[in-house]
Amino acid sequence: DQQVKQNSPSLSVQEGRISILNCDYTNSMFDYFLWYKKYPAEGPTFLISISSIKDKNEDGRFTVFLNKSAKHLSLHIVPSQPGDSAVYFCAAYLQMNYGGATNKLIFGTGTLLAVQP
Amino acid sequence: DARVTQTPRHKVTEMGQEVTMRCQPILGHNTVFWYRQTMMQGLELLAYFRNRAPLDDSGMPKDRFSAEMPDATLATLKIQPSEPRDSAVYFCASGLGQVPTQYFGPGTRLLVL
Repeated sequence: DQQVKQNSPSLSVQEGRISILNCDYTNSMFDYFLWYKKYPAEGPTFLISISSIKDKNEDGRFTVFLNKSAKHLSLHIVPSQPGDSAVYFCAAYLQMNYGGATNKLIFGTGTLLAVQP
Repeated sequence: DARVTQTPRHKVTEMGQEVTMRCQPILGHNTVFWYRQTMMQGLELLAYFRNRAPLDDSGMPKDRFSAEMPDATLATLKIQPSEPRDSAVYFCASGLGQVPTQYFGPGTRLLVL
C-alpha cells in the first residue's frame, strides 16, 4: 500500500526550461509535504516543503504546488540547470500521537531528473 | 557545519556475518531515523527513535535486525546474520521534535555476498 506515489521514474528537460515533478498521495491526513534532492553516493538533502494548509510555497527557482482536492503536489524548477540533475523524492509527513508526539516521513520512489545542457 | 555522519561508508561482507552500522545525529536533534534504499522500494523506514527511546521498528525484519541508541550521540543498526537480500544503502537521518524536516547522512552502502 503505497501512500506516496511518484509515477514518473525519469524526466528529461532542456537547460533553461521548466522542470515539473509530480507526486500523488492517498492519505488526506498528511500535515506537510517535503521535497528532497539526492545526488549519487550522497544522502537526500532537503529542498522545500509545504504545509497542508497552503497551496503554494516558493523558494528561489523552486516552487511547490499543493492541490488537496486532487491529493496531488508538484515541484516546479525554473529555470532548470544542469546541476539540478538528481533524483527527487517527494515525502509526506504524518504526525501521530502515541502518548507523545511522533513523526514519520513517507517517501515516494523518486524521479530521476536529467537537465540537458 | 552540522551534519549527520555515518560509518562505514561502504561494507562488503559474506552471508552470515554480523554487520554494524553507526550514525552520529546532528548535535541537539532528538529524533533519529534509519532508512533503507533499494531500487524497487525507494526509501523504506526501518526504525526511529525519539529521545533515545525506540518508537517504531515495524519496518525491520525482527529476527535479524536490531537498532539501538546507546547515547544521544550514537545510533546503531545491526544485522545478524546478514543475507544477500540485505544489500542496499542504509541511511540515517535526524530531526528535532515535531519539525517535519529530517537531515540525512551520506549512507552506508552494504553488499552481502
